[in-house]
Amino acid sequence: DSGVTQTPKHLITATGQRVTLRCSPRSGDLSVYWYQQSLDQGLQFLIQYYNGEERAKGNILERFSAQQFPDLHSELNLSSLELGDSALYFCASSPQGGGGAQEQYFGPGTRLTVT
Amino acid sequence: GDSVTQMEGPVTLSEEAFLTINCTYTATGYPSLFWYVQYPGEGLQLLLKATKADDKGSNKGFEATYRKETTSFHLEKGSVQVSDSAVYFCALSDRERAGSYQLTFGKGTKLSVIP
Repeated sequence: DSGVTQTPKHLITATGQRVTLRCSPRSGDLSVYWYQQSLDQGLQFLIQYYNGEERAKGNILERFSAQQFPDLHSELNLSSLELGDSALYFCASSPQGGGGAQEQYFGPGTRLTVT
Repeated sequence: GDSVTQMEGPVTLSEEAFLTINCTYTATGYPSLFWYVQYPGEGLQLLLKATKADDKGSNKGFEATYRKETTSFHLEKGSVQVSDSAVYFCALSDRERAGSYQLTFGKGTKLSVIP
């Protein structure tokens, strides 16, 4: 158990809909990262938040957005869903308080199926 | 940009066989290197890491050495067990370039160990 929780575990929805994925980081971790894992694209970084502020953006579509709340949990919002958005979405957290390699701790993921 | 290339799978080995999974990277800075493992139905777990050239990361019998001259970080284990069956991901983090500790992943190598 990494200490990172994600809800829901599974989500099935229709094209054109909007969903929200939730992530709670490990206690004390300030950084939250979102990744998408799909068969064709592999694991891709989407976006990072640090202590409530956006820190870095990766291959995140304009239809997707995220935020980190004062209690440090994060939500990833996916709108106007397309079949190609079906994937496993992972959240990871890290302390990011100092230098050196910052280990990231991954949650179990949310499997999104768009029909 | 940064990229990671790892050997294509799947790899099938008999129990107690020697394992090598090749990983090479492209990065403009001085990245940290990681191996993550994903067991069926679970999130990613950090297996080992190395933060500078010639560092050797090791954990649970797995080893990998950061080779700057060959830009490689090959994963090895002397004697695999059935419980090692999983998908292995090589990854890098290049904070100097990206301004963030986001991970860039290889496509993953599925390992199956048969008794």
